[in-house]
Amino acid sequence: KQEVTQIPAALSVPEGENLVLNCSFTDSAIYNLQWFRQDPGKGLTSLLLIQSSQREQTSGRLNASLDKSSGRSTLYIAASQPGDSATYLCAVIGGANSKLTFGKGITLSVRP
Amino acid sequence: EAQVTQNPRYLITVTGKKLTVTCSQNMNHEYMSWYRQDPGLGLRQIYYSMNVEVTDKGDVPEGYKVSRKEKRNFPLILESPSPNQTSLYFCASSPQGAWTEAFFGQGTRLTVV
Repeated sequence: KQEVTQIPAALSVPEGENLVLNCSFTDSAIYNLQWFRQDPGKGLTSLLLIQSSQREQTSGRLNASLDKSSGRSTLYIAASQPGDSATYLCAVIGGANSKLTFGKGITLSVRP
Repeated sequence: EAQVTQNPRYLITVTGKKLTVTCSQNMNHEYMSWYRQDPGLGLRQIYYSMNVEVTDKGDVPEGYKVSRKEKRNFPLILESPSPNQTSLYFCASSPQGAWTEAFFGQGTRLTVV
C-alpha cells in the first residue's frame, strides 16, 4: 500500500528565504507526482505535475524535483513571500484506479 | 473558465436525511473522483469514475453512492448520513486519470448532527 510522508508538518520562515519542502513515498511504481497548495477553508490548487519519466518541473519561483527510485520529491520555493503561506500537499498517482495518494501536508508560514 | 464546481459549499444536515453533493466540470475530462479530508487522516478517495457509466470504489466508500450518467457530472449521494461523515469533501477531475493533471473543486464542508 502506497504511503506518502511529508515532514515536518509545519514550517515557519522569514520572508525572502529560499526553502525546500520534502515528500517521500514508499512505492516507486507511480505514474506521476503532483504538488498542490491549499489555503485555509479553500480547495486544492495544482502547482506542478511531474510525470514519472521527468526529473523536474518549474513554474515561476517554484521548482519540483522527482527521484522515483529513491521515492522522493522536493518542492523548492525561491525568495519566499508572506503570500506563500499555505498548506502544501504532495500526491502520487498510481495503481489501476489512478488514485491520488496524498501526504498530510506541510503548513508553511512566511513571516514578514 | 475551466473549473470543477461543487454545490453546496456548506451544508448542515441531520442524521438519516438523504443528501446529494453535486460536482460538474467543464473541461471534458474523462476521469472524476471524490475525496474526503479529515484532520490527521488527510485526503482519502471515496469513489472514482474512469468514464461515463463506469464507477468504482476508492478507499472509503461505505455510506456513499455515486453515478456518472454524463461526462460532466459526478454527484455524491449520502443515502443516510451519519455524524462520522462530517468532513470536507472534494471533487476532482483529470483528462485521463493516471498521466494527467488533476483539478479540484472548492470543497463542500458537510456537518451531520
